[in-house]
Amino acid sequence: EVQLVESGGGLIQPGGSLRLSCGASGFTFSSYAMKWVRQAPGKGLEWVSYINSSNIPIHYADSVKGRFTTSRDNAKNSLFLQMNSLRDEDTAVYYCVTDLFADWGQGTLVTVSS
Amino acid sequence: QAGLTQPPSVSKGLRQTATLTCTGNSNNVGDQGAAWLQQHQGHPPKLLSYRNNNRPSGISERLSASRSGNTASLTITGLQPEDEADYYCSAWDRSLNAWVFGGGTKLTVL
Repeated sequence: EVQLVESGGGLIQPGGSLRLSCGASGFTFSSYAMKWVRQAPGKGLEWVSYINSSNIPIHYADSVKGRFTTSRDNAKNSLFLQMNSLRDEDTAVYYCVTDLFADWGQGTLVTVSS
Repeated sequence: QAGLTQPPSVSKGLRQTATLTCTGNSNNVGDQGAAWLQQHQGHPPKLLSYRNNNRPSGISERLSASRSGNTASLTITGLQPEDEADYYCSAWDRSLNAWVFGGGTKLTVL
């Protein structure tokens, strides 16, 4: 059974940084591209980033480009999202997702507020 | 990044058929089709269909997806109370090098 478990969310002030992690199990993580998708409270889904199985290519939404960095450690079956210069509008539940949206974690809530 | 266009809401009666639409352009929906996701309140989304009508195992045969030009559609027959949810479409946009989502359609089963 595929399992994706996000962690690292929390309350952070504007301008601050957070690092989200996603632990994967139940499938060959190193063979799959992965995505981060977020959902602001009461709003729709927004794609954040994509990383290929071999780390190349990596793509970002315009709204996070230059501030967020996606990486992965295939040896540890883990996906990461480094978020810098956080803004109020980054407040959302962040989901770790397998390619083609087949599997989703439960999400981790990031709240950016002073 | 420009998103896909979905009607905000659709209402249909029990056991009726609902067709949800998702309109993009030739760089996204018109290129490789769309994925459809269902989300119940308080839960992560669930994949219903990818690249038009490829259904993951366990997804009801009452659901079918299709595409005509730049518009993708999801048809749900024999509507049941559990079909009441938010539905999202998404597609890879080759010109933006980005995944784009629709704003979502809230399906109400009367």
